[in-house]
Amino acid sequence: AQSVTQLDSHVSVSEGTPVLLRCNYSSSYSPSLFWYVQHPNKGLQLLLKYTSAATLVKGINGFEAEFKKSETSFHLTKPSAHMSDAAEYFCVVSDNGSSNTGKLIFGQGTTLQVKP
Amino acid sequence: DTGVSQDPRHKITKRGQNVTFRCDPISEHNRLYWYRQTLGQGPEFLTYFQNEAQLEKSRLLSDRFSAERPKGSFSTLEIQRTEQGDSAMYLCASSPLTEAFFGQGTRLTVV
Repeated sequence: AQSVTQLDSHVSVSEGTPVLLRCNYSSSYSPSLFWYVQHPNKGLQLLLKYTSAATLVKGINGFEAEFKKSETSFHLTKPSAHMSDAAEYFCVVSDNGSSNTGKLIFGQGTTLQVKP
Repeated sequence: DTGVSQDPRHKITKRGQNVTFRCDPISEHNRLYWYRQTLGQGPEFLTYFQNEAQLEKSRLLSDRFSAERPKGSFSTLEIQRTEQGDSAMYLCASSPLTEAFFGQGTRLTVV
């Protein structure tokens, strides 16, 4: 069975400093992994996705993530935080098993706070 | 706007009433999903359609819940005899294959 664990429920950074949101995954299959962002009163937006191509994935708004199979990790990073990055971030694994429904299994979420 | 559309955005209902939500997916997407998100949690999978066929249902989906996708286009999620524990955000997503696009959700409050 697939699962994801987001290692921090809350991360606080100062504007202009790097962001690191940590995620470990568990999957019996070659996983498809995603990061979604959810701003208050807005829908979930896809930041980036890994689907067995390049292990370093670049996404929107300057975010990137690195797939590390040996560490079963898919951490999200950004070199310099902006105030508009404050939101809830979800690490997600997709069901790529025999049923291959594409259903998504979400982590518990990490709240990113950006201080001026 | 050609994204996923959900209606209504908010619904307040009395315990025991029935409610129905609608989702209009992106038109060329044959996969449609419903998820439920409670406060402080990540969304949880409820059910999956490929075209008009409902291919998977979560154990979270009690027999008070039913979903349809007639003709493989829009979908409805009905909750009968609502309970306070049904209060949550109900999210719809559609997908051509691997990447899911989400609607803004329907927030249900059962009083």
